[in-house]
Amino acid sequence: GAVVSQHPSWVICKSGTSVKIECRSLDFQATTMFWYRQFPKQSLMLMATSNEGSKATYEQGVEKDKFLINHASLTLSTLTVTSAHPEDSSFYICSARELSVNYGYTFGSGTRLTVV
Amino acid sequence: GESVGLHLPTLSVQEGDNSIINCAYSNSASDYFIWYKQESGKGPQFIIDIRSNMDKRQGQRVTVLLNKTVKHLSLQIAATQPGDSAVYFCAERYQAGTALIFGKGTTLSVSS
Repeated sequence: GAVVSQHPSWVICKSGTSVKIECRSLDFQATTMFWYRQFPKQSLMLMATSNEGSKATYEQGVEKDKFLINHASLTLSTLTVTSAHPEDSSFYICSARELSVNYGYTFGSGTRLTVV
Repeated sequence: GESVGLHLPTLSVQEGDNSIINCAYSNSASDYFIWYKQESGKGPQFIIDIRSNMDKRQGQRVTVLLNKTVKHLSLQIAATQPGDSAVYFCAERYQAGTALIFGKGTTLSVSS
């Protein structure tokens, strides 16, 4: 089946630094990728939608200059958390939608970001 | 709409019981629904899905029921096992090609 590889699985960074999270579709082409954030004991909150080759669409309240999303190919999307602060500590999860499958959504395994 | 919850409701059952997890979804126009299982520190794991033109779908030990009249989704797990302990989320899709929007989630605790 479809597999999405997300890494790193966990990262600790200092306040003020930037962190990049990668999401790769291993055996399919992902026309659209979605990024979610999940705080402890809460649900997944959609941050942004990215389509290959175009700018990401951000949800209300999500700072596009802070959470940079790049979707340069049909198999790779990256999320960069810039100038990270402790409040950005969260579990970040990507999801990819397969180009030829209307009902196919595959999730990555998530990245635990801790900003100290 | 977006789900913001500070606490996840908990369902506690005994091993072998049947479990029913409920979800109220937000958009009457949503065309697709999925139940996910999430274990601590992991990404969501697909359980079962249902399209809006159906009201019931069965899988192995799981059944999803969709009631569009009251915008309600339920997941039934038969003969619940300790390995079923996790957080369960329902997700809806407002329209084709868009992101899945997640519900608040329910923690299922199975004791043996």
